[in-house]
Amino acid sequence: GAGVSQSPRYKVAKRGQDVALRCDPISGHVSLFWYQQALGQGPEFLTYFQNEAQLDKSGLPSDRFFAERPEGSVSTLKIQRTQQEDSAVYLCASSLESGESSYNSPLHFGNGTRLTVT
Amino acid sequence: DQQVKQNSPSLSVQEGRISILNCDYTNSMFDYFLWYKKYPAEGPTFLISISSIKDKNEDGRFTVFLNKSAKHLSLHIVPSQPGDSAVYFCAASSGTYKYIFGTGTRLKVLA
Repeated sequence: GAGVSQSPRYKVAKRGQDVALRCDPISGHVSLFWYQQALGQGPEFLTYFQNEAQLDKSGLPSDRFFAERPEGSVSTLKIQRTQQEDSAVYLCASSLESGESSYNSPLHFGNGTRLTVT
Repeated sequence: DQQVKQNSPSLSVQEGRISILNCDYTNSMFDYFLWYKKYPAEGPTFLISISSIKDKNEDGRFTVFLNKSAKHLSLHIVPSQPGDSAVYFCAASSGTYKYIFGTGTRLKVLA
């Protein structure tokens, strides 16, 4: 597709439910990122993939958060036993270049999934 | 501790005038800076970037200035247009893929 696609756009979950958020990056983009944006804040880094390898998951807030990109394209962010503090917009971004070669390859963001935990 | 700060949550500017959005950072290891623009219900869109070896980068109506000694960057939009009304985020990295974003400034351009 032309851009990064995320689904669903909106997700309401009851506390304790598991959710799965999908990201379809731009075709051919090597790098994929997940960011979390709380209300009134800027995006915060969660995790980074280079192709299918998850090279950095230092931003994941707890072990309830899990991300995968098994074939190096589509990625899924899973949140288990959701809590109210998980309510946020989850942004996926992709980039053509990998790692440190990103000076001329800025992040292309999707429109995000707004997760509300009730 | 916020490493990238945008101290003005909002800014209103008359159409045709200059908009100046400011960003301060604390980490002297940052060497690459970007500005993103975000409309409601959309993801951030890349606008312009600058590396620390430069002090100015220009792209059409948008210019980013970097003052390394003051750890300060600014985005100038001239002339401002109503379609520029959005939230603007600055972001910084230290030569890696991990960008640190500010909290954003909401710009409103009045027709």
